[in-house]
Amino acid sequence: QVQLVESGGGVVQPGRSLRLSCAASGFSFSSYGMHWVRQAPGKGLEWVAVIWYDGSNKYFADSVKGRFTLSRDNSENTLYLQMDSLRAEDTAVYFCARALSVGDSGPFDYWGQGTLVTVSS
Amino acid sequence: DIQMTQSPSSLSASVGDRVTITCRASQSITSYLNWYQQKPGKAPKLLIYAASTLQSGVPSRFSGSGFGTDFTLTISSLQPEDFATYFCQQSYRTPPTFGQGTKVEIK
Repeated sequence: QVQLVESGGGVVQPGRSLRLSCAASGFSFSSYGMHWVRQAPGKGLEWVAVIWYDGSNKYFADSVKGRFTLSRDNSENTLYLQMDSLRAEDTAVYFCARALSVGDSGPFDYWGQGTLVTVSS
Repeated sequence: DIQMTQSPSSLSASVGDRVTITCRASQSITSYLNWYQQKPGKAPKLLIYAASTLQSGVPSRFSGSGFGTDFTLTISSLQPEDFATYFCQQSYRTPPTFGQGTKVEIK
């Protein structure tokens, strides 16, 4: 069965960095675009970024552009989100999600359980 | 960016009720509209994609309709496990954007 497992969340001071990982299993990881979506406490869903199946294209939300980078290791079935210059407003649960179809915008048919990032001094 | 607006923001309903949630896009998204269900502390779950296609394993009491800018999610007979928050999302253009959510509560 398809599984996505995020890790790497925690408490970090403003301006510092954190790297999230998403380990995939149960499907051909190298055939799917992968996304990150976040949810601030008690709030709605906000798309963060997408990376194509082969890593050739990446797109970011304006709110994280220039601060977050995205990569994937198809040999290890793992997705990474490098978050630099973190701000209080980046505090959220971060979900990785698989894209159901070709394209940059979803839909998202499988999601991980999420990992909480708290940016606080 | 395409703005997605859901209504209502919350509703109270009883088991067995028919429930309808609406979602409006700020511009035409043809049929690139998806619906998710989220329960507290859990990841969202895809219910419907392409406006009206039921995701595998989702009960048939869920249905979706609409085209262009106006869409609806209908639960034909609300079940206890359906009390949750529902989000719409457009996949017509990057960045994908979500509605603010509709919380379905027990009356």
